[in-house]
Amino acid sequence: NAGVTQTPKFQVLKTGQSMTLQCAQDMNHNSMYWYRQDPGMGLRLIYYSASEGTTDKGEVPNGYNVSRLNKREFSLRLESAAPSQTSVYFCASSLSGPYNEQFFGPGTRLTVL
Amino acid sequence: AQTVTQSQPEMSVQEAETVTLSCTYDTSENNYYLFWYKQPPSRQMILVIRQEAYKQQNATENRFSVNFQKAAKSFSLKISDSQLGDTAMYFCAFMKHEGGGADGLTFGKGTHLIIQP
Repeated sequence: NAGVTQTPKFQVLKTGQSMTLQCAQDMNHNSMYWYRQDPGMGLRLIYYSASEGTTDKGEVPNGYNVSRLNKREFSLRLESAAPSQTSVYFCASSLSGPYNEQFFGPGTRLTVL
Repeated sequence: AQTVTQSQPEMSVQEAETVTLSCTYDTSENNYYLFWYKQPPSRQMILVIRQEAYKQQNATENRFSVNFQKAAKSFSLKISDSQLGDTAMYFCAFMKHEGGGADGLTFGKGTHLIIQP
């Protein structure tokens, strides 16, 4: 049982390049989330998916797109990376409902030069 | 919108001591949930404890307990008999009931807790 996995663990991009962060969970969770963590800040929600085929914007969605490919996978795409997107990105999943524990992946450290 | 404030950027205590981390929040919601997450140097986010706002009884999990004061909008974490492995960033987080979790968690900026041997 791997829990929540993310690839890659580290990535360096140049301004304007694009990339996709991959996330998968094997806990049969309906809800999946993408957060970013900046130095001295807590995590902030980028996008949320309640179930396969549905996605909603979070607090900081600008510059990102997401795809809920199936129940297991939820990807985050940066179409044209900017230095302001340098951050650590976390994917999380949970059972439906607000009280349920969110399980987090190990994070992706992204640097945009 | 909700806000979560952690006023202690860093705390340091000796092993085996008791330490309390502070958290206050601001919301107009009446029904919500509060969480403490731990982030050790490995960067992994780990749930420590959670509290339902409509429950008056404070949650406890082994050495971890909370002091939930709904009227004061305060949610502090107490760690008893602290251990070296408790060294980590601790984040207080809020989730409103309405929307079923669609807004995700709102996090504070964190408290860096250092346990000294």
